[in-house]
Amino acid sequence: NAGVTQTPKFRILKIGQSMTLQCTQDMNHNYMYWYRQDPGMGLKLIYYSVGAGITDKGEVPNGYNVSRSTTEDFPLRLELAAPSQTSVYFCASKNQGNQPQHFGDGTRLSIL
Amino acid sequence: QKEVEQDPGPLSVPEGAIVSLNCTYSNSAFQYFMWYRQYSRKGPELLMYTYSSGNKEDGRFTAQVDKSSKYISLFIRDSQPSDSATYLCAMSAEGGAQKLVFGQGTRLTINP
Repeated sequence: NAGVTQTPKFRILKIGQSMTLQCTQDMNHNYMYWYRQDPGMGLKLIYYSVGAGITDKGEVPNGYNVSRSTTEDFPLRLELAAPSQTSVYFCASKNQGNQPQHFGDGTRLSIL
Repeated sequence: QKEVEQDPGPLSVPEGAIVSLNCTYSNSAFQYFMWYRQYSRKGPELLMYTYSSGNKEDGRFTAQVDKSSKYISLFIRDSQPSDSATYLCAMSAEGGAQKLVFGQGTRLTINP
């Protein structure tokens, strides 16, 4: 039972480069989320999706884009990487109703 | 003022002690309250999930919610070295889309 899988685990980018963080879940969950966690801080919501084809902004969406073409996948794209986007990125998913979110193990991203 | 306040610690206690972790919040619309445990270089793992006010117990863990005081607590009885981790409180106004707002996290060490 894989749960929520994030790739890559680590990545170093140069300023201005672009990349896509991958997230896939095998639990057939409708809801998916992207968070970022800065050192010593809690998680902040970047984007979320309530189902395939539907996405919406969270608290800190600037500099990021998402898409949700399938139930399983919810990639997060950085178009022009900036040092302020150095962080650990977590993807999560949940089922319908008042169910809790399940998290992946994160992607550690450094932008130099 | 942050929406959710949590003392970052660090907190260090001897094995077998009772641990008390707390969060305060300002948004009276919050109804769903969670505690997550996060080990180093891992994603958050759900420990407790409660709705509205009251207590919930699961093994050595007890979660309390006092909506009138906007205050939530997590108690760990008979603490073990394996409980050493960062504990994050999280809350949401709705159970559906569940846009979580996290506390900063408290780093806990249980000393053998």
